[in-house]
Amino acid sequence: AQSVTQLGSHVSVSEGALVLLRCNYSSSVPPYLFWYVQYPNQGLQLLLKYTTGATLVKGINGFEAEFKKSETSFHLTKPSAHMSDAAEYFCAVIHGSGNTGKLIFGQGTTLQVKP
Amino acid sequence: DTAVSQTPKYLVTQMGNDKSIKCEQNLGHDTMYWYKQDSKKFLKIMFSYNNKELIINETVPNRFSPKSPDKAHLNLHINSLELGDSAVYFCASSQIYNEQFFGPGTRLTVL
Repeated sequence: AQSVTQLGSHVSVSEGALVLLRCNYSSSVPPYLFWYVQYPNQGLQLLLKYTTGATLVKGINGFEAEFKKSETSFHLTKPSAHMSDAAEYFCAVIHGSGNTGKLIFGQGTTLQVKP
Repeated sequence: DTAVSQTPKYLVTQMGNDKSIKCEQNLGHDTMYWYKQDSKKFLKIMFSYNNKELIINETVPNRFSPKSPDKAHLNLHINSLELGDSAVYFCASSQIYNEQFFGPGTRLTVL
């Protein structure tokens, strides 16, 4: 069964510093992987996704993630944090086959950006 | 031009009441979902419908009953509300294996 682990429930960085949010997955089949962001009192917004092809995936707001099969990881990075990046971030993997494409989410990581 | 909308945004009610949350998507997607986000922000799928057919039904109390009148709508009815039902409920839609688009959520508070 697929599962997702996000290392670090809370990450704090200074404005302008590198952002690194860690995600490891387990999957018995090639995974479809996603990063979502949730701003306070809002729904989830897709940052980026990996399905097939290039393992370095670029998303919105300057974020990117690299799929590393050997490490079963899909870490999210951004070279320079902005105050507006403060939010909750969720890594997710698609579970199932056929038409049962449900998302399995990690526990979430709260990103704090300090001025 | 809202993609996935939910009503109401906030719902405060007493234990034992019955309530419904409505969801509509205008993206032309075939599949819709209900997720529950608990107080620790953990997200878990509850139900999924594909073309009005129930395809995912997680271990959810049978007090929760989804209804899909057409593929653009997926409503959630909850009977005999309990304190533990307090959470944020998200509706989402997608084409299978593509990204899911989420609604703004409904914050349910059971007193």
